[in-house]
Amino acid sequence: NAGVTQTPKFRILKIGQSMTLQCTQDMNHNYMYWYRQDPGMGLKLIYYSVGAGITDKGEVPNGYNVSRSTTEDFPLRLELAAPSQTSVYFCASTQTGGSYEQYFGPGTRLTVT
Amino acid sequence: AQSVTQLGSHVSVSEGALVLLRCNYSSSVPPYLFWYVQYPNQGLQLLLKYTSAATLVKGINGFEAEFKKSETSFHLTKPSAHMSDAAEYFCAVSDYSSASKIIFGSGTRLSIRP
Repeated sequence: NAGVTQTPKFRILKIGQSMTLQCTQDMNHNYMYWYRQDPGMGLKLIYYSVGAGITDKGEVPNGYNVSRSTTEDFPLRLELAAPSQTSVYFCASTQTGGSYEQYFGPGTRLTVT
Repeated sequence: AQSVTQLGSHVSVSEGALVLLRCNYSSSVPPYLFWYVQYPNQGLQLLLKYTSAATLVKGINGFEAEFKKSETSFHLTKPSAHMSDAAEYFCAVSDYSSASKIIFGSGTRLSIRP
C-alpha cells in the first residue's frame, strides 16, 4: 500500500496562475480531506468529501475548488493564485466505522509570488 | 464548537529528561482526542488516540497521554527524551458527529538538547 500520495511536492506559481494539486489514496477510504498549514499554525480544513460525488466546504474554502469523481482521487484546484495561498497543503483520508485515524500524505509546498 | 489549545509553541528539554506537552480541549460532547507528530518535511503521523476506552493511552515511540475529563486535558508525556523525538506535535479533537472532521491545535515544536 502506498497510502496517501500527493503531487507535486513543490511548486512555485505566479499571481493569477492556476494549478491542480493531486491526491490519491489506495486504502479504499470513503472520507478525504484537504488541509493547509501555515507557518506556526495548525492545520485548517479547506474541503472534504464523504464519498465519490459528494464534497463540502471546510473552514477556509475561498479560492479553492474540489471534485471527487472516484473513491481514490481528490484533486484540489487553485484558481487565480494569490500570495495568501502560499502554504503547505496536506491531503488526508479515513474510513468511517474504523479507528477514526486520518492518514496523511507527505504534503505539497506551494509558493505564490 | 470544539477547540483545542496547546500551551507552549516551543518546548526544549535535555536528552533523557521528561517530555510534557500540554493540550486542553473544549467539546460539548464526549470527544475523541488525538496526538499527531510531524517530522520535518513530512506529513502527520498518528502517535496515539483516545476514543472513550482507557483514560491512559499508550502510543508509539514510548509516548503516552492521559484523558482527564475534569481538567479537559489530554497532555502528552514521555519519561525520557531521545534526540529522534525532535518534531512538531499536534493535539486534535473530534466528536465524529460531522463527517469525521478533526480540529487541530496550533502545534508545539519539541527540541531536544544533547
